[in-house]
Amino acid sequence: GNSVTQMEGPVTLSEEAFLTINCTYTATGYPSLFWYVQYPGEGLQLLLKATKADDKGSNKGFEATYRKETTSFHLEKGSVQVSDSAVYFCALTTNFGNEKLTFGTGTRLTIIP
Amino acid sequence: EPEVTQTPSHQVTQMGQEVILRCVPISNHLYFYWYRQILGQKVEFLVSFYNNEISEKSEIFDDQFSVERPDGSNFTLKIRSTKLEDSAMYFCASSVGWEGYEQYFGPGTRLTVT
Repeated sequence: GNSVTQMEGPVTLSEEAFLTINCTYTATGYPSLFWYVQYPGEGLQLLLKATKADDKGSNKGFEATYRKETTSFHLEKGSVQVSDSAVYFCALTTNFGNEKLTFGTGTRLTIIP
Repeated sequence: EPEVTQTPSHQVTQMGQEVILRCVPISNHLYFYWYRQILGQKVEFLVSFYNNEISEKSEIFDDQFSVERPDGSNFTLKIRSTKLEDSAMYFCASSVGWEGYEQYFGPGTRLTVT
């Protein structure tokens, strides 16, 4: 079956620090990979995605590269801001015509000024 | 910007009671989903719904659960007889298409069963 393992939280960083949140996966078939973000009081929002090996998804300064050889999709940002404080979820779908998402546990990120 | 809404934001109920969680998907979306997250655990898929019928359901989605789109705008999740282990955050999502289309999520309903 499909599963996603992501870095345990919570993670606390100072503003302008470098961020990495690790995500690895197992999947039957060829997955598409996603990072979702949940800001306080809001729903899950798609942050970025990658649909094939070596693709890099990017948005709002965040990046993640689809690494098939290591089955990973680590989220990175070079300089975090207080407004990046949120819960981040790694997820996948397998393209068998059913787009149910398989999520990791989520990582709570807090950025302190 | 259109968004998925869910009501109530928090529901407290006693074990054995029926609850209905409500969602209003984005108006031109055709595919609907429910997920849940037990505190400290993963977000789990419950059910997908298209063309007024269930497309797929997980093993969690047993006979105690049902979904309905009663009026073309609301999408509801009913739990007939709640158990303590049903306590979780329930997320509704919708998408305009199937493969490759983004799912838009609501803010969730926190269900507490006492």
